[in-house]
Amino acid sequence: GIQVEQSPPDLILQEGANSTLRCNFSDSVNNLQWFHQNPWGQLINLFYIPSGTKQNGRLSATTVATERYSLLYISSSQTTDSGVYFCAVEKGLGNTPLVFGKGTRLSVIA
Amino acid sequence: NAGVTQTPKFRVLKTGQSMTLLCAQDMNHEYMYWYRQDPGMGLRLIHYSVGEGTTAKGEVPDGYNVSRLKKQNFLLGLESAAPSQTSVYFCASRPGTTREKLFFGSGTQLSVL
Repeated sequence: GIQVEQSPPDLILQEGANSTLRCNFSDSVNNLQWFHQNPWGQLINLFYIPSGTKQNGRLSATTVATERYSLLYISSSQTTDSGVYFCAVEKGLGNTPLVFGKGTRLSVIA
Repeated sequence: NAGVTQTPKFRVLKTGQSMTLLCAQDMNHEYMYWYRQDPGMGLRLIHYSVGEGTTAKGEVPDGYNVSRLKKQNFLLGLESAAPSQTSVYFCASRPGTTREKLFFGSGTQLSVL
């Protein structure tokens, strides 16, 4: 099956710093989503981004489908950005489940 | 609009006991999923359903059963709980044929002693 690798596994930032999280996948995909799991365990969908670039406030994401990677940018990080960021991909046409990477754990220090 | 609701939120079982986790969604989504999350392992798919009356196995289905008798509900059963099933369980749902966002419930923390 499709493999999803996220890097780095852990990241510590000072508040106000910028960061880039990477997601590599082993096959062509029709669906790619980024999620944030906050320190209380809640999973929030950040982006649906199978290709191109999207922005939502301080967060933006870019997927280069032909090169099989996606990047999540966090600018001016805040302590509330702490948690685990997951990338998930789907090869099929909507009737196959998303496959998750193991995540990047981000700690933002005040 | 509640979204995806999981019950219970916490549960402690003894080895060999059985239980059912309930997932309910009020968004009329076709697809529903059960994942488990263990430290360092990310989210692994247990079972999923692409519509009422259908179920399919995921990556780690052993020891679990599921049912989708109604479109809005997806039940996960443990017939004889084992300590290896200690985990956090997440239910998720999304619309059908369009590849739209996946929405998660708040999780169930299960400990098997």
